Parts: sequence; structure tokens; C-alpha cells
Amino acid sequence: GAGVSQSPRYKVTKRGQDVALRCDPISGHVSLYWYRQALGQGPEFLTYFNYEAQQDKSGLPNDRFSAERPEGSISTLTIQRTEQRDSAMYRCASSSPDRGGLIFELFFGEGSRLTVL
Amino acid sequence: AQSVTQLDSHVSVSEGTPVLLRCNYSSSYSPSLFWYVQHPNKGLQLLLKYTSAATLVKGINGFEAEFKKSETSFHLTKPSAHMSDAAEYFCVVRRNYGQNFVFGPGTRLSVLP
Repeated sequence: GAGVSQSPRYKVTKRGQDVALRCDPISGHVSLYWYRQALGQGPEFLTYFNYEAQQDKSGLPNDRFSAERPEGSISTLTIQRTEQRDSAMYRCASSSPDRGGLIFELFFGEGSRLTVL
Repeated sequence: AQSVTQLDSHVSVSEGTPVLLRCNYSSSYSPSLFWYVQHPNKGLQLLLKYTSAATLVKGINGFEAEFKKSETSFHLTKPSAHMSDAAEYFCVVRRNYGQNFVFGPGTRLSVLP
């Protein structure tokens, strides 16, 4: 598509429920990132993929959080047994490395705002 | 480990006056540094990037930043603020030889008429 698309844009759930957030990157982009942004703070790295391979998941806060990108395009971030502290904006970004293998710009979607009651 | 510090959580300027948003980085080697802007209810957009070429980097909308290794700084400036510049600004460092981008806490810029 023309830009990074995230869905749902808004999600309200009750504590203990599972949620799945979807990211559709820019067509052809190799790399896909997930960030979490609490109100009044900067985005916090969660994980990223190159193609379907998860390269770095060091930012996932605990084992309730997982992400996948099975076909190297669309990605899903899943939060199991949600807690109130999971409430935040979840942002996805995509990009492709240059010939030197480095990424110079992340293209962000508008985010999915999660509220856990 | 690489990190960035943004010294001001909020900066307020009058329209037509200069803008200075401060950023200091911590890195054991020459980093790649970026500034992103976030307008209300919008996604993040790249303003400019430093990747070890020219130390003075020009970006979009009249913004520029200067990499100063001796001061470990990458401050963002603009000669004359416009109302449309009101937004949140993030300084970002990329962990070289990895692809992990680390964001600072952000500076909210207000522009007064």
C-alpha cells in the first residue's frame, strides 16, 4: 500500500483478555518494527523483523508479548492476558536497508491505541 | 549502549523567533543520529539524519542540526519558527551494526503567536 497501515486504530479491552494488533507495511519493505509509546514518552523499541525472521526481540517486556511475520509482510503483535499497564499506543514502522545493509529511515503508521480497563 | 538525552521536555517560542531543541547522545563509537517529528494524532516523520558525512545536516521545513563529537550533541535548530512547527520532536540514535533505533523522551515545541 501507499503507507504503513495499522489496525485496529483503537482497541478497548478488559484486563485478562488477549489482543492482536496488525501491521501492514509498505509494499516491498524488508524490515518491520514494533514500538510502544506511553503518553508523554518517546517510542520504546519492542522487536523487529527482516523478512519473516525476528532479528531482535529484546524489547518485549515479558512473555505475554509476542510478534510474528510469517510470510515476510503483514505482522501481528499479540498481548496475552492484558494488564492495565499495557495501555499505550503501539506503533509499527517499516523500511528497507541500503546496499550497505543499513536502514536510514523508518516509515511509521498512525498507531493502534490500546486501552485496558 | 547507545542512548539519547533530550534536556528540555517543553520549549516555547514566539512565531518568527529561532528554535533550539537540545539532544545529547551516548555512544562508544560514531553513531547515526536522527530527528523525528510527531504532529498531534499523526505518525512520526523523519526530519533529518546524520550518518557520518557532513556534520551540518539540513532537513525538511527549514530545520537543521549539527553533529558535534566533542560535545556529544546533535541539537536541532530553525532560524524562524512557524505556527505549523508546533509538535513533539524526538532525537534518535541507531545502534550501528544492528537495526535498533533508540528514541529520546521527546521535546514538545509550542509556538506562540
